[in-house]
Amino acid sequence: DTGVSQDPRHKITKRGQNVTFRCDPISEHNRLYWYRQTLGQGPEFLTYFQNEAQLEKSRLLSDRFSAERPKGSFSTLEIQRTEQGDSAMYLCASSPGGVRNTEAFFGQGTRLTVV
Amino acid sequence: AQSVAQPEDQVNVAEGNPLTVKCTYSVSGNPYLFWYVQYPNRGLQFLLKYITGDNLVKGSYGFEAEFNKSQTSFHLKKPSALVSDSALYFCAVRGLNYGGSQGNLIFGKGTKLSVKP
Repeated sequence: DTGVSQDPRHKITKRGQNVTFRCDPISEHNRLYWYRQTLGQGPEFLTYFQNEAQLEKSRLLSDRFSAERPKGSFSTLEIQRTEQGDSAMYLCASSPGGVRNTEAFFGQGTRLTVV
Repeated sequence: AQSVAQPEDQVNVAEGNPLTVKCTYSVSGNPYLFWYVQYPNRGLQFLLKYITGDNLVKGSYGFEAEFNKSQTSFHLKKPSALVSDSALYFCAVRGLNYGGSQGNLIFGKGTKLSVKP
């Protein structure tokens, strides 16, 4: 078990382009979360999945953002028509779910820079 | 609404001295509280959690935290700080969500801990 893996680690894109990030959670974890972190702030919740079902979306997740987890394993986060305000660290986390209510384990993040 | 406050942007401590990083919370119902640490350009690493039971919880790297229900606080502590403890520390509370059970984590803004030799 290598933990939560995110790809790419860094992405520089021009404003208006589309970008897609991938997250591979810990294999036995059925819950997967996406967060966004900007400089000087704590991570802000974007969305989460239980298996393949997207159960909650934050108001931060505009129409330009879409997330999928098609087979209940890895997840992708796509941002369409990127804006400079989208520049941030995008963090993925996973947890076992169920009644144990345990902590979430985070990946190292994808740093997006929109120029 | 669930929220977490970390009143100090930065805490400076001399190596070997005790350290405290403060956190207060606001939740409805019983709180599930967490501390995470973040090193530069890295993701968050879990330190410890309070779900129920003893108010003093012990975690990784010699850290502990004290849950105080009357003061709605969950301060992070360590008896003797190390230079390598210098990092960004985040307090988090688990919010309510769909189904009302395991919600997403709500984070504070973070406290930068600087330990000088």
